[in-house]
Amino acid sequence: EVQLVESGGGLVQPGGSLRLSCSASGFTFSSYAMHWVRQAPGKGLEYVSAISSNGGSTYYADSVKGRFTISRDNSKNTLYLQMSSLRAEDTAVYYCVKDWGGDSVFDYWGQGTLVTVSS
Amino acid sequence: DIQMTQSPSSLSASVGDRVTITCRASQSISSYLNWYQQKPGKAPKLLIYAASSLQSGVPSRFSGSGSGTDFTLTISSLQPEDFATYYCQQSYSTPKGTFGPGTKVDIK
Repeated sequence: EVQLVESGGGLVQPGGSLRLSCSASGFTFSSYAMHWVRQAPGKGLEYVSAISSNGGSTYYADSVKGRFTISRDNSKNTLYLQMSSLRAEDTAVYYCVKDWGGDSVFDYWGQGTLVTVSS
Repeated sequence: DIQMTQSPSSLSASVGDRVTITCRASQSISSYLNWYQQKPGKAPKLLIYAASSLQSGVPSRFSGSGSGTDFTLTISSLQPEDFATYYCQQSYSTPKGTFGPGTKVDIK
């Protein structure tokens, strides 16, 4: 059974940093691209970032470019999102998402972790 | 960037009703269109991929159609567990997978 379990969310002050982790199991993690998608309270889904299966290629939405860094450790089956210079508008539930076949079809989602940016 | 729109933004329907949700892309995306269902407090769930292919385990009352810029999600007979928010998502310009704004289906 595929499982994606996010952790690392919490309350952080504006300008602060936070690192999210996503522990994956039930599939060959190193074979699949992975993504982060977020959802602000009461709002829709917003695409955040992607990383290829070997970590060699990354992509960021304009809203987070230069502030967020996606990475992965295939030996630990773990995906990361390092977030810095956080803003109030980054407040959201962050979902770790598995890519079905490198084509941005999102077949499995984690339960999400809430990041709140507030003073 | 490809922009996605959905209509309506919300709708009220009764159990047993046929429900249709429309999604439009700002440019042609061939059949690279996916649909997700999200219930309150839960993660989204993939329903339909490649515009019309039903994800494994999804009831056959859900169907998708369309290509190019215009797409439709249809629920043939709405069930109590189908009250949720539905999102379309383009997977044409990968890796970015832009989502539509969502359509909330609630009980009439």
